[in-house]
Amino acid sequence: NAGVTQTPKFQVLKTGQSMTLQCAQDMNHNSMYWYRQDPGMGLRLIYYSASEGTTDKGEVPNGYNVSRLNKREFSLRLESAAPSQTSVYFCASRQGAGYTFGSGTRLTVV
Amino acid sequence: ELKVEQNPLFLSMQEGKNYTIYCNYSTTSDRLYWYRQDPGKSLESLFVLLSNGAVKQEGRLMASLDTKARLSTLHITAAVHDLSATYFCAVNAGGGADGLTFGKGTHLIIQP
Repeated sequence: NAGVTQTPKFQVLKTGQSMTLQCAQDMNHNSMYWYRQDPGMGLRLIYYSASEGTTDKGEVPNGYNVSRLNKREFSLRLESAAPSQTSVYFCASRQGAGYTFGSGTRLTVV
Repeated sequence: ELKVEQNPLFLSMQEGKNYTIYCNYSTTSDRLYWYRQDPGKSLESLFVLLSNGAVKQEGRLMASLDTKARLSTLHITAAVHDLSATYFCAVNAGGGADGLTFGKGTHLIIQP
């Protein structure tokens, strides 16, 4: 049972490049989330999806888009990466009160 | 807007001592979470507190929730080096929104 799987684990982008962070869960959870973690800031919610086919903005959505491809997969896309998007990105899923977090993607934009 | 404040943000303590981390939040919520994070790792769930007066204990860690005061505490008893980590509290957004709002974390160092 893999839980929440994120790919890639590390990525370096040049300013202006685009990329998609992938997240998949195998627990049949309805809700999925994308967070970013910056030093001294805790985790901040970017987008979430309460169910397949729905997405909503979180606290810091600017510069990002998401797709809930199916119940298992929730991707995060950076269309034109900026240095301010250098961060660690965590995907999570939830059923009931319990959240499960992925291992994170460390993204550097130069 | 929901705000979650932890204090202290940094704590250095000696093994064998007791200490408490505080988590205050600004609006009504029905769920409070505590997580542990080791450097370069993901979040490990410690406790989920679902009701006023809830108290949960696991080993040397005990968490409590006072929803009327909008306060949760994480108490460490007889600290050991292995408890060195960053501890986060988080509160569910509520009010029709989903997801967690996190505090900034408490970086805990326990020295022999």
